[in-house]
Order: sequence, then C-alpha cells, then structure tokens
Amino acid sequence: EAGVAQSPRYKIIEKRQSVAFWCNPISGHATLYWYQQILGQGPKLLIQFQNNGVVDDSQLPKDRFSAERLKGVDSTLKIQPAKLEDSAVYLCASSLVGGQSNTEAFFGQGTRLTVV
Amino acid sequence: GNSVTQMEGPVTLSEEAFLTINCTYTATGYPSLFWYVQYPGEGLQLLLKATKADDKGSNKGFEATYRKETTSFHLEKGSVQVSDSAVYFCARHSSYKLIFGSGTRLLVRP
Repeated sequence: EAGVAQSPRYKIIEKRQSVAFWCNPISGHATLYWYQQILGQGPKLLIQFQNNGVVDDSQLPKDRFSAERLKGVDSTLKIQPAKLEDSAVYLCASSLVGGQSNTEAFFGQGTRLTVV
Repeated sequence: GNSVTQMEGPVTLSEEAFLTINCTYTATGYPSLFWYVQYPGEGLQLLLKATKADDKGSNKGFEATYRKETTSFHLEKGSVQVSDSAVYFCARHSSYKLIFGSGTRLLVRP
C-alpha cells in the first residue's frame, strides 16, 4: 500500500516570498491533516479536511496560510507571504475516517521549509 | 483545555535499561490515546494505541496503559536497544482532533 506522498522534501525561500506544498493521501482516506512541526516541538494541527470540506482550521494563520483539497483527494498548503517564523517541517497525514477517535493517522515524510 | 504533556528530554539510557516516558492529558470526555515514534530521517509512525480506560497498548516491546484516574498514558519498555533511539510523541484524539505532545527524544547508548 502506497503511503502519504508529499513534495517537495525541502524548500528554501526568502521572507515575503510565496511557497506551496503538495500532499497525496492514502487512497480511500477521507480525512486529511496538515501539521506544522517547529524544531523541538510537537506537531501543531493547522487544518483538517473531511473529504473536501474543512473540519477545523482554528489554528491556521489565515492572513498568510491557505489550503485546499479539491475533489477530496490531493491537497495543497500555501504560504503567502512567508515569515522567518514559518521555518518548520510541514506534515501531511491521512486517516480513513477522522471522526472515529480510534482511527490511526498515517504521516508523510514532510516538507522542511527554511525561510531566510 | 485539551492538551498533552510529556516529560522533557533528552532521555539517555544504556542498552537493556528500563524506559519510562511520562505522558498526561487533559480532555473532555474519553479520548483515544496514542504513542507515535519518529526515527531519524523518517516520518511519524504509530507505535501503539489505547481507546478506552484500562486498555493496554503494546508493540515492539513497548507498552502503555490508559489510566483514567490519573489521566496518564506512560510509555514503558523493559529493555531498550540502540535501535529504539528516536523521538516519541504522545497524542490524544477527541472532538475530531489529533493533538500531540511536544515529544521526548530517547538516546540509547551501546
């Protein structure tokens, strides 16, 4: 079974530039998560989709971050404009049904973003 | 609020030593609890889980028991190996959200 695919693996940009990350979840998984993991910290949930609808985006900085999940499959996360404090690893995860609390989430390798 | 608190690392042990990594949670209701592990250069992966009080999750020699009375889910292993060196994350799932602790780095020396 193919896992969660993310690209790119690494990205270096200057502050105020834009960047986009892509995620392809495991086939058939209805729930997709984007997390931000700053060095030395645990993953922080940015946004959660159920199919192509947003379940939770309460911690997404909406003035600069946006995400979409067209057709309920792939998802993109965009930052525009980037700030130095956005340097982190951006993790995508998926699960069969997020509403069931015992459901395992599967994670991609992440995209390491460095803003200089 | 809803949160997960883990003991700070790094935890450094010699091979075959006993491991405990503490985790406590706050949540409304009865969340499911998880331990995820992140090996060097790899993504997060599920290590074990427990979905109700008194459940014990186990995998690869690791165990954790869901203790409702102390709101804890401590991770234990009787004899660690060098290959167990990784970062361990406690997590809880409730109200449709999967929330992580800050992680505990484990370093096992030969």
